[in-house]
Amino acid sequence: SSELTQDPAVSVALGQTVRITCQGDSLRTYYANWYQQRPGQAPILVIYAKNSRPSGIPDRFSGSSSGNTASLTITGAQAEDEADFYCSSRDSSGSHWVFGGGTKLTVL
Amino acid sequence: QLQLQESGPGLVKPSETLSLTCSVSGGSISSSSYYWGWIRQPPGKGLEWIGSMYYSGRTYYNPSLKSRVTISVDTSKNQFSLKLSSLTAADTAVYYCARASYGKNDAFDIWGRGTMVTVSS
Repeated sequence: SSELTQDPAVSVALGQTVRITCQGDSLRTYYANWYQQRPGQAPILVIYAKNSRPSGIPDRFSGSSSGNTASLTITGAQAEDEADFYCSSRDSSGSHWVFGGGTKLTVL
Repeated sequence: QLQLQESGPGLVKPSETLSLTCSVSGGSISSSSYYWGWIRQPPGKGLEWIGSMYYSGRTYYNPSLKSRVTISVDTSKNQFSLKLSSLTAADTAVYYCARASYGKNDAFDIWGRGTMVTVSS
C-alpha cells in the first residue's frame, strides 16, 4: 500500500501533551519522518528516522513507532506549535516517497 | 548553508508543459548522500510527492504522475529541473524543491520556499 492516514485535526491545551498519529502498511518496514508547516511557509523537518531531531528542533518534539503506526508527540505544546503536521515515509515498494494527508494542530 | 530556490512561470495554459528549475547554493548537487526532489501542494490541500532524483541520474516518480513527469539534473549549473506535461487545472499548486538526506531516513531536510503555479487559459 502507498497510503499514510492521519487524523485531519487535533487540538491541545497550551502546555499539555498531544500525540499525532500516522498509519500505513509501509510503516511496518520504514520509519516515518515528520514535517511541520505553518501557514504560508514551506514545511520543515521535525523528526526523522523514528525519533531523531534535526538541529534546532526543540526537544518537546519526539517520535515513536509500533507496528503500522507512527506517532509524533509534543510534550508541553506551545502556541507556536500550531501548524499542519505531515508524516512521510517510503512506500511498501521502497521506490517512492509518500505523504500522509496532514493533521491540523490547534493549540487552545 | 545549503539553500534551494525554485524558478519558473507562475501561469501556464492547460495542455502545456510546466518547466521549473531548482538552483542549489551553498553545496554541491553531486553528492552520493542526497536525493533531490519535487513536492507540490494544491491550494488548501496536503503535500504530494512528485518525484526524486539521485545524483547519479536515477529517477523515482509518483506512479500517478509518472507518464507526465521528467526530472533531470544539470551538474554544471548545480541545478535540477522538473517538467510536467499535459497540464490541467488540477496541477495548480505550490511546487517545492527539496533535498532528501540518505543519512536521515531519506527525509526532506531542506526545502525551497516554493513557487505558485496556476494552470489557466
